[in-house]
Parts: sequence; C-alpha cells; structure tokens
Amino acid sequence: KQEVTQIPAALSVPEGENLVLNCSFTDSAIYNLQWFRQDPGKGLTSLLLIQSSQREQTSGRLNASLDKSSGRSTLYIAASQPGDSATYLCGLKAAGNKLTFGGGTRVLVKP
Amino acid sequence: ETGVTQTPRHLVMGMTNKKSLKCEQHLGHNAMYWYKQSAKKPLELMFVYNFKEQTENNSVPSRFSPECPNSSHLFLHLHTLQPEDSALYLCASSQGPRDQETQYFGPGTRLLVL
Repeated sequence: KQEVTQIPAALSVPEGENLVLNCSFTDSAIYNLQWFRQDPGKGLTSLLLIQSSQREQTSGRLNASLDKSSGRSTLYIAASQPGDSATYLCGLKAAGNKLTFGGGTRVLVKP
Repeated sequence: ETGVTQTPRHLVMGMTNKKSLKCEQHLGHNAMYWYKQSAKKPLELMFVYNFKEQTENNSVPSRFSPECPNSSHLFLHLHTLQPEDSALYLCASSQGPRDQETQYFGPGTRLLVL
C-alpha cells in the first residue's frame, strides 16, 4: 500500500526566501506525481505534473523534481511571495486510477 | 475556475436526513472522482468512475451512495450519516493517458453532520 509523507507539516518564511517542500513515498510503481495548492476551504489547484519517466518539471517560479529510486519529490518555489501562502499537497497516481495524497505542508510567507 | 463545479458549497444535516451532493464538469473528461478531506487527515479517495462505470470503491460505507448518470455529472447520495462524516467533499475529473492525467478539482462541499 502506497504511503505518502510530507515534511514539514508547516513552514513559515519571510518574503523573498526560497521554499523547499518535500514529499516521500514508499512504492515507486507510479504513473505520475502531481503537486497541488489548496487555499483555505477551497479545492485543489494543480501546479505541476511529473510523469513517471521524467525527472523534473518547471513552471515560472516553481520547479519540481522526482527521484523514484529514493522515493522522493521536491517542490521548489523561488523568491516566495505572500500570495504563495497556502497548503501544498503531493499526489501520486498508481494503478487503478488511484491518487494517493500526502498530508500537505502549510506554508506562510510573511511580508 | 477549474471547470468543475460543486453544489451545494455548504451543507448541514442531521443524522436521519437524506441529502445529495452534485458535481458537474465542463471539460469533456471521462473520469470523475469523489474525495473526502477531514481535518488533520490526508485527502482520501472514495470513488472513481470511468465512462460512467464505477471502477474504484475505496471501502466506503454504504451510507455514501455515488451515482454517475453521464460523464459530466456525478452525485453523492448521503443517508444516516455520522458526525465523523463531517468533512470537505471534493469532486475531480480527468482525461488522458494515465501518465499524463492531470486531475481538476471542484471547490468542494463543506458538510457538517449534527
């Protein structure tokens, strides 16, 4: 059974600092890994999707890496802004169309 | 806006009530999902539908009954719920080859069971 862990559970940084969010998983037999953002009381917004055959994806200030051999993915957010404050979740898709999520990292960027 | 809408956004119900949650996607996707997000627990997959057929039931109690009349609509019928069923219920849809699928989420229905 896939287990997904996100550490830290919460993170507070001053504006302008780079953010590093970690996601670890136990089963490397995945189709893809997605990073999502969730604002309080709202649904999830997809940020980046890394296919199983890829090592990283980039979109603007966001960069996500995937290392299946070590069971890890990292989301980097460069030059953080207060608008980046949210909860970030990683989700892994495996067989049977199932997406397994980590518990999320709650991020606060202080002006 | 992600193209996935959910109604109602908030719902309060007693344990003897029957209610339904509705999800509609305007993206032309073929797969739809129900998730449950409880406080202090990871997001949990409940049901998966592909082309209107249920392909996954993640050991969900029978007091939750899904219905998918077509590829654009998904319902979750609720009856005799328990207070611990209070949570944010999220609907999602996706389309595409497995490894390229991005799931698009609705805003969720915040459910409180009294």
